[in-house]
Amino acid sequence: QVQLQESGPGLVKPSQTLSLTCTVSGGSISSGDYYWSWIRQPPGKGLEWIGYFYYSGSTYYNPSLKSRVTISVDTSKNQFSLKLSSVTAADTAVYYCARECLHSRWELDYWGQGTLVTVSS
Amino acid sequence: DIQMTQSPSSLSASVGDRVTITCRASQSISSYLNWYQQKPGKAPNLLIYAASSLQSGVPSRFSGSGSRTDFTLTISSLQPEDFATYYCQQSYSTPRTFGQGTKVEIK
Repeated sequence: QVQLQESGPGLVKPSQTLSLTCTVSGGSISSGDYYWSWIRQPPGKGLEWIGYFYYSGSTYYNPSLKSRVTISVDTSKNQFSLKLSSVTAADTAVYYCARECLHSRWELDYWGQGTLVTVSS
Repeated sequence: DIQMTQSPSSLSASVGDRVTITCRASQSISSYLNWYQQKPGKAPNLLIYAASSLQSGVPSRFSGSGSRTDFTLTISSLQPEDFATYYCQQSYSTPRTFGQGTKVEIK
């Protein structure tokens, strides 16, 4: 059974960089069958797709966040990470990592439980 | 970006009711349409992928239909555990985009 678990600071100061890690168990992050994705959800609002990483090294970021986002992977730890720079209060959200299935219709079939990140001084 | 529009934004229904939620894409997305259920404080859970394929473990009272720009999620007989928010998502192109959500509440 695949499991994903987010970790990282729950509080980040404005203008600093938000850093989160997603640890994957029950499957290899080096599999060519999946994109490894980040999605966020501001409190009481809908879902916003941030971007994904493919094991080959390719990435795609939402243009609305592209200048501030980096997604990277550590295959030795079976983890992938999100960095979002120059954060503001508008970046306060629950951040989810998820797996996107390439051998189907690119659906997000497994999600982490989510972690709330608050941007505040 | 492809815009996804769900309707209604919320609805009230009773246990046993048939419930239908619609999702419209701003351009054709073939069958690259997925549906998720989200309960308060929990991550979204995949219900339907490829517009009409039922994810493993999801009850058969959930079904999806549609193609190109117009899609539907149907719950044939609403159960107490189905009260939640439902999101559609297109996976046809990047950036991936979600509908705004439909909250299903108890009548």
